[in-house]
Amino acid sequence: QKEVEQNSGPLSVPEGAIASLNCTYSDRGSQSFFWYRQYSGKSPELIMFIYSNGDKEDGRFTAQLNKASQYVSLLIRDSQPSDSATYLCAVKKNTGFQKLVFGTGTRLLVSP
Amino acid sequence: SQTIHQWPATLVQPVGSPLSLECTVEGTSNPNLYWYRQAAGRGLQLLFYSVGIGQISSEVPQNLSASRPQDRQFILSSKKLLLSDSGFYLCAWTAGTGNRGLRQPQHFGDGTRLSIL
Repeated sequence: QKEVEQNSGPLSVPEGAIASLNCTYSDRGSQSFFWYRQYSGKSPELIMFIYSNGDKEDGRFTAQLNKASQYVSLLIRDSQPSDSATYLCAVKKNTGFQKLVFGTGTRLLVSP
Repeated sequence: SQTIHQWPATLVQPVGSPLSLECTVEGTSNPNLYWYRQAAGRGLQLLFYSVGIGQISSEVPQNLSASRPQDRQFILSSKKLLLSDSGFYLCAWTAGTGNRGLRQPQHFGDGTRLSIL
């Protein structure tokens, strides 16, 4: 079982719709959760992070964390074609070096 | 504000040649530094990390090595490149240790696209 799992996609949504990206993790000791966006050929850029159960909103983005279910998600409201990218989920646990473990990413396609 | 610089942006090297990629961070002190590789269509693979000058930990045994000669400088090297070393190399940094470090995200440089011929 991978430590961080994401559906590779592509997830296709029309412009203006809500895109829902999901991530599950295997280690219950995981403490911090991060979402990165990576455009093709570019480096990952941080979108959001969340530490506590519940929702955290930032503009059009909402991160949701459910530690009991070991599940974290990213909602993108009013999706735009410029949101088309690969979204990486990353998890950090409080052991040793606090390594950040990445999922392989979900490719999102927003059609005009 | 903190910035991370990585160079070169692209590199084409023959098999068996040496490699040196450099990464520097500005605007912070004593960062944790990382080297990742991303093969085409694949996830991020952590290669090396460093918590201080001269302190290097390797995640995956391979043809590469890393060094940290200064607090904010991280270098990835190879004596002889293999075809399998092709990929997108990313340097990243994060701040803090302990509980504060637990909540610190990693910030990535622009990456180096390495092609081995």
